[in-house]
Amino acid sequence: DSGVTQTPKHLITATGQRVTLRCSPRSGDLSVYWYQQSLDQGLQFLIQYYNGEERAKGNILERFSAQQFPDLHSELNLSSLELGDSALYFCASSAGLAGGTGELFFGEGSRLTVL
Amino acid sequence: QQPVQSPQAVILREGEDAVINCSSSKALYSVHWYRQKHGEAPVFLMILLKGGEQKGHEKISASFNEKKQQSSLYLTASQLSYSGTYFCGTVNYGGSQGNLIFGKGTKLSVKP
Repeated sequence: DSGVTQTPKHLITATGQRVTLRCSPRSGDLSVYWYQQSLDQGLQFLIQYYNGEERAKGNILERFSAQQFPDLHSELNLSSLELGDSALYFCASSAGLAGGTGELFFGEGSRLTVL
Repeated sequence: QQPVQSPQAVILREGEDAVINCSSSKALYSVHWYRQKHGEAPVFLMILLKGGEQKGHEKISASFNEKKQQSSLYLTASQLSYSGTYFCGTVNYGGSQGNLIFGKGTKLSVKP
């Protein structure tokens, strides 16, 4: 158990819909990262927050948005969903920034299926 | 800039050794290695920092050649439990330190 909690674990929805994925980082961790993993694909970096502020942005679509709240939990919002958005979405947390000695602790992921 | 990993896949017998390589076209600040078993989340293996510092908590060794912008992960005397997909992640100079980008992974299968 990494200490990172993601909900929901599984989500099935239709094209055009909007969903919210939630992540609670490990106690004390200030950084939250979001990654997308499609079938047989690597880990695509989406976005990172540190203590409530956006710190790094990857290949995140304009239809996607995220935020980190004062209690440090984070939400990833996916809207106008398309079939290609079906993937496993991982949240990870670390005490600091990954460029330092920041080991990332991954949650179990939220599997999104768009029909 | 996504790092490039090689090989894409490797099959070993128990006790054999393997090397997984990771290279970047940009100067590296740090290299991170993770292993993901099927159906599970990635798990941290090691961080290699510019200047030679390493941090890890597995009996796995790695190297970091700053000049060549490359890192290698050495798996010796492989065990069945080593099976999984290995990802290297890199943080480049000039970008945000939070921008940890992973390669496409190397799938390792260890057979009895």
